[in-house]
Amino acid sequence: GAGVSQSPSNKVTEKGKDVELRCDPISGHTALYWYRQRLGQGLEFLIYFQGNSAPDKSGLPSDRFSAERTGESVSTLTIQRTQQEDSAVYLCASSQGGGGLGYEQYFGPGTRLTVT
Amino acid sequence: DAKTTQPTSMDCAEGRAANLPCNHSTISGNEYVYWYRQIHSQGPQYIIHGLKNNETNEMASLIITEDRKSSTLILPHATLRDTAVYYCIVRVAFYTGTASKLTFGTGTRLQVTL
Repeated sequence: GAGVSQSPSNKVTEKGKDVELRCDPISGHTALYWYRQRLGQGLEFLIYFQGNSAPDKSGLPSDRFSAERTGESVSTLTIQRTQQEDSAVYLCASSQGGGGLGYEQYFGPGTRLTVT
Repeated sequence: DAKTTQPTSMDCAEGRAANLPCNHSTISGNEYVYWYRQIHSQGPQYIIHGLKNNETNEMASLIITEDRKSSTLILPHATLRDTAVYYCIVRVAFYTGTASKLTFGTGTRLQVTL
């Protein structure tokens, strides 16, 4: 079946511009997560959605970062006034539920963001 | 989530078993051991998880010590496509809100060679 998809796969933007990254989770998955991975480093958690609500936004690095989810489906991560330190791969994951045994997360291929 | 310790890197010959260790000495009774891997330029991929019994699926086996302070992921016949970074993650069994996220460490870089 279809997995998690993300678009665009690559994005190059100039410093100071805004960007929007999209995630389409697996159909029926109520939980959605955004992570960031800088070059050569591990994954950093950004935000978690259960349905259209975000009970955990603790990983968003600044108020330039925001995310929304609609229809318990698509999510958009927006970065305003991009900085060079925002350059990273942004990964989206979804799972059947936010809690409980067996609700492993399935990851998309990521969006590689380069801020010049 | 409890902290885990893994070797930075390991090598394995193709066709041989790859045994990846993980220490989680502070694991709590309600925490599971999860394994993910990340092949270069791809998103992480779920492999297996377990509580205290050994587990096996089509990808791998997970052996957890009786005291649950360590575990080993076994890839029975490693292939070149198994070259990846392998992450051992300890996670509570039932969780909501903040506990739902995965906390990735630095993992073990497994290199499978001919």
